Amino acid sequence: AAGVIQSPRHLIKEKRETATLKCYPIPRHDTVYWYQQGPGQDPQFLISFYEKMQSDKGSIPDRFSAQQFSDYHSELNMSSLELGDSALYFCASSSLERGVRSYEQYFGPGTRLTVT
Amino acid sequence: AQKVTQAQTEISVVEKEDVTLDCVYETRDTTYYLFWYKQPPSGELVFLIRRNSFDEQNEISGRYSWNFQKSTSSFNFTITASQVVDSAVYFCALSPPNYGQNFVFGPGTRLSVLP
Repeated sequence: AAGVIQSPRHLIKEKRETATLKCYPIPRHDTVYWYQQGPGQDPQFLISFYEKMQSDKGSIPDRFSAQQFSDYHSELNMSSLELGDSALYFCASSSLERGVRSYEQYFGPGTRLTVT
Repeated sequence: AQKVTQAQTEISVVEKEDVTLDCVYETRDTTYYLFWYKQPPSGELVFLIRRNSFDEQNEISGRYSWNFQKSTSSFNFTITASQVVDSAVYFCALSPPNYGQNFVFGPGTRLSVLP
């Protein structure tokens, strides 16, 4: 079965650079979530989109922005990168399940961002 | 506010021992969902189970079992006859009733199963 795809899987950037992470949800999933997991931490919610509109916002820095496109894929844009942005970034998707909104989020493999 | 507590930061057991990972949650919602995820050293989050707040039946899946006690707001996870491959960080998570809202994760429990 198709899973959530994230690219790239690994990314190394320098301080003050920009980065773009991409997420391709499971086909027919209309909701995408972004999480940030720092070393030894639990995943922290950043932002989510439902039908291309932002549906919820967590602890996302102002330097970050995200959007969901017409094909439901999402991109997380990160500018003025800081050392503290080094983390594993997860994308998850969800959708209807037998006509009911599913609260199960299917996670991608993550993008490991290292800022040097 | 919602909160998930996993009091055990790290647990070490010897292979074939049983181990229980504790999860206690706080929420004011009457409808919610609880999850367990496994994060092996490779980093991906592997879904283990989902339980909704109206279903207090315990569940068993192979060597895994879950005990949901709404009265004590706990959703504990037991691995029977643990194996080295069970070594991972295990996260308990709480989802609010509104679709599109985020999961709240617990801090995780690192389980090491020694041969």
